[in-house]
Amino acid sequence: NAGVMQNPRHLVRRRGQEARLRCSPMKGHSHVYWYRQLPEEGLKFMVYLQKENIIDESGMPKERFSAEFPKEGPSILRIQQVVRGDSAAYFCASSPPNRGTNGYTFGSGTRLTVV
Amino acid sequence: AQSVTQPDIHITVSEGASLELRCNYSYGATPYLFWYVQSPGQGLQLLLKYFSGDTLVQGIKGFEAEFKRSQSSFNLRKPSVHWSDAAEYFCAVAFSSNTGKLIFGQGTTLQVKP
Repeated sequence: NAGVMQNPRHLVRRRGQEARLRCSPMKGHSHVYWYRQLPEEGLKFMVYLQKENIIDESGMPKERFSAEFPKEGPSILRIQQVVRGDSAAYFCASSPPNRGTNGYTFGSGTRLTVV
Repeated sequence: AQSVTQPDIHITVSEGASLELRCNYSYGATPYLFWYVQSPGQGLQLLLKYFSGDTLVQGIKGFEAEFKRSQSSFNLRKPSVHWSDAAEYFCAVAFSSNTGKLIFGQGTTLQVKP
């Protein structure tokens, strides 16, 4: 049973480009969470999604950031017109239905560098 | 506001020595409490968690943590540190088991001296 898969592991983008980060949850997990880890900081919650629904996006920046979790395929975190301040590690976690934080499994993260 | 504080940013201990990493939270009720470990360039691995019951929780890799309601603390301990324990440690809390949102502390970087 594969764990939470994130790709790419490393992503380099120039300022103004778009970044797409993918997260495939564990088999049987229908809930996905995205977190951002800025240098020298802890993880900050961004968004919580279920299939085709955004449940809580209270941590998402108001502009340029969006997330989706379609019926088929991985969850996507999309950052438009990236800026240097977006450089961070982005982690995805997944859980089974009704387990929430009790059933979290984290992926290995995508490290985004904006040059 | 709900928050988690890890007062120590860096800790250095000698191999074989005991370890205690501190974690305090701010919340009116008892949250769900977690400790995670992150090795360089890696994701987060769950060490242990507390939801209810016995306030002394055993985890993986020989770690344990004690929940103290009166001090709003959930400190992580290990009696004898190994060089492979060098990593970053995060305390996290959830204020509901089903909201899905974890609030993390700033992390404590552990260095182990030979």
